Amino acid sequence: DTGVSQDPRHKITKRGQNVTFRCDPISEHNRLYWYRQTLGQGPEFLTYFQNEAQLEKSRLLSDRFSAERPKGSFSTLEIQRTEQGDSAMYLCASSFLRQGHNSPLHFGNGTRLTVT
Amino acid sequence: KQEVTQIPAALSVPEGENLVLNCSFTDSAIYNLQWFRQDPGKGLTSLLLIQSSQREQTSGRLNASLDKSSGRSTLYIAASQPGDSATYLCAVPVGANSKLTFGKGITLSVRP
Repeated sequence: DTGVSQDPRHKITKRGQNVTFRCDPISEHNRLYWYRQTLGQGPEFLTYFQNEAQLEKSRLLSDRFSAERPKGSFSTLEIQRTEQGDSAMYLCASSFLRQGHNSPLHFGNGTRLTVT
Repeated sequence: KQEVTQIPAALSVPEGENLVLNCSFTDSAIYNLQWFRQDPGKGLTSLLLIQSSQREQTSGRLNASLDKSSGRSTLYIAASQPGDSATYLCAVPVGANSKLTFGKGITLSVRP
């Protein structure tokens, strides 16, 4: 068990560019979550998957944001036409839902995005 | 809409002190409550998860309590150490097994 991995750790991009982040959850976990965190705030929910199905998306997730989990393993989060307001830490977490009970969430170290 | 509040935003204590971090939530119909630790520039590490049927959970020097009726949880840290310096966040799920709503966290500094 190597924990939740996120790549890259840091990304600096110019406004208007597209960026893509990757998350590899703990292998046996069937749920995967994306959160966004800005300085001094708690993480805010963006979206989550159970296996390959995207079950919920926050209103924070504008049309410029898209997330996928094509094979129920790793996930990608893409931001198109980035804006300075997208600058934040993007956190991925995973958990295991079994018999109606969700295990504690395990978080990765995040991808810090800076849009200049 | 569930709201989670953590006050104060920051706390500084001398090493060795026992301390209590508070968390309050507006909707008492929660299934569980989770406490996390976050070091600067890092992700979150789960410390304790309390199910709604439980009153408290313990792990080493940490003890978390839950009072659903009053909408409060506390994280007790015994004999604090400089290595405990971090931001501590509490979170509750919106539904039974769903996304978490987080507080803003309490940044703890333990002075040697």
